[in-house]
Order: sequence, then C-alpha cells, then structure tokens
Amino acid sequence: SQQGEEDPQALSIQEGENATMNCSYKTSINNLQWYRQNSGRGLVHLILIRSNEREKHSGRLRVTLDTSKKSSSLLITASRAADTASYFCAYSGAGSYQLTFGKGTKLSVIP
Amino acid sequence: DVKVTQSSRYLVKRTGEKVFLECVQDMDHENMFWYRQDPGLGLRLIYFSYDVKMKEKGDIPEGYSVSREKKERFSLILESASTNQTSMYLCASSSVGLGGGELFFGEGSRLTVL
Repeated sequence: SQQGEEDPQALSIQEGENATMNCSYKTSINNLQWYRQNSGRGLVHLILIRSNEREKHSGRLRVTLDTSKKSSSLLITASRAADTASYFCAYSGAGSYQLTFGKGTKLSVIP
Repeated sequence: DVKVTQSSRYLVKRTGEKVFLECVQDMDHENMFWYRQDPGLGLRLIYFSYDVKMKEKGDIPEGYSVSREKKERFSLILESASTNQTSMYLCASSSVGLGGGELFFGEGSRLTVL
C-alpha cells in the first residue's frame, strides 16, 4: 500500500489560534479518517469523511476532502493546550479491509 | 465503554527470544489488526484478521506471525526477536469490513529487544 503524507510534520501555535493539517494520498479511496494520538498512547478516532462528501464538522473540528487533488485537511478551531498531540490521516480503498495511515503531524499548543 | 486491551504496555526481551503480544477486544468485532509504529515511518500494518482463524498479511509481515483462535483475541508472535523489531505495537479492531471503518485502538505495547 502507499502511505499518505501529512503536512506539516510539526506545528506549534498559541492557544486560541486555529491549526490546519493537510493530508495527501495516492489511490482512490472509499473514505478518509483522522485520528489523534497523545504521547505514548493509542490512537483515538476523530472523524470520518466519505469519498462523496466534501466537508464535515464535529465540534471544533472541520475536515475537507478534495478527491480530484487526492487531499484532505483537518482544521481545529480555537485550539487548547489539551489539543497537543499527533494527528494522523488514514484512508481505505473500496474493496479493502486495510486502513493506510500517514506519518502524522505533531501539534503543540502553547498556553 | 468499548475497549481494546493489550496485555503488556512495556516489554524488554533478548535477541532470539519468542515474544507473544496479546490483544483482546470486548466489542464483538469481526476485524482485528496489528500495526507497528516507528518515528518518521508512521503506522504500518503487519497482519489483520477478518474472522476467527483467518489472517491476511499486511505491508510488513516478515518476522511475525499471528493467531486468532477466538473472535475476541488476536495475538502477534515474534518467533525469534531481533533488535530491528524494537518498536511500539498497536492492536486495533473494527466492526466494518470491506471499505474500512473506524478503528478502535489499544494503548500500545512498547517492545525493546536487546
């Protein structure tokens, strides 16, 4: 499988600012998901967007998907220190059991 | 609360030892996965299982085997541990099959091979 790529690899912002992370992939997908990982812990699912959707919201999270550019973005609005974590995109192709993960963006939110 | 439990958070083993990593889920999920996570490489799929006694190779199966004798339990086996298998191992489960779905992860097992 072909891993996705997140951009930037690391991001440092002040509390209250917005954080935007991008994900690019190389194959046709069924859906794309975003996960969060606190240091040394397992991953937690944040949001799933299907290939026929363009935008999705969940609380302070906004995800967009552009299948023509094979890219997605995750926006966290009004960030908090507790948002400090690594964020991963993951995608699956139709007819596949597998979820392919990107390499992640490490977000630091400074109080 | 749904739960995926990995038996050991931290393990230290010697080169050549046989290592068992156990994973149990209480959500009656059909699909279970083993990933390893390394700095700069992200998560890479080792093996997955979509049913009891069924297993499929992921992207990096070399040096590993798996066992799924019961629906709730998925074990990762390192027959002869090597130093390049030092890593964080993550188990996950999912109720959605083909086409992918939300994965529920355990807390991870950090393995050091000396």
